[in-house]
Amino acid sequence: EEHLVESGGGSVQPGRSLRLSCSTSGFTFGDYAMSWFRQAPGKGLEWLCFIKARAYGGATKYAASVKGRFTISRDDSKNTAYLQMNNLESEDTAVYFCSRGILFYTEYYMDVWGSGTTVTVSS
Amino acid sequence: QSMLTQPPSVSGAPGQRVTISCTGGDSNLGLGYDVHWYQQLPGQRPKLLIFANSNRPSGVPDRFSGSKSGTSASLDISGLQSEDEADYYCQSYDGTLHGYVLGSGTTVTV
Repeated sequence: EEHLVESGGGSVQPGRSLRLSCSTSGFTFGDYAMSWFRQAPGKGLEWLCFIKARAYGGATKYAASVKGRFTISRDDSKNTAYLQMNNLESEDTAVYFCSRGILFYTEYYMDVWGSGTTVTVSS
Repeated sequence: QSMLTQPPSVSGAPGQRVTISCTGGDSNLGLGYDVHWYQQLPGQRPKLLIFANSNRPSGVPDRFSGSKSGTSASLDISGLQSEDEADYYCQSYDGTLHGYVLGSGTTVTV
């Protein structure tokens, strides 16, 4: 059974950085795209970024709200995806979810999700 | 601001049918990109409910069905059950934004 486990969340001051990890098991990580989403308290889901599998060049995509501040990466040898978050703002306070992407024709849907890790940005 | 528009809430009695709409535009659903639906139970992670407009993953009851036409899509829940109380999100790809877009979510109350 596929499992995704996020870690690395916590409380951080505005302007600081944090790196989230998404550890996976139960499938061949290198064959799949991965994505990060977040959910602010009481709000809806927001897509953040995406990284394709190495077979598809490992290309990345970012939402405008985080482009230039957040970086998604992957280490296929460790079956882990990462989200590097820099210059954090209070608006980044949220639960962060990683998910596995499944290619359907030209784009992806997310079929497996982690349980999330909480990031709180506050002075 | 969500690129896909959903009603904030829908409600129905047990056994009834409810429909959740998802309205996009010419840069996403209207460009032919598929719509996918996720269910998020209170305090839980999202779960894939429908992929590629109308396909159910293994284990999803056939009470859930989806469709898409033009710039709109919908999720139908028939035979409503108390366990269906959750937030539901539609998701697609936007060719102008070059990224994934989600609806703002719909809360279903039974």
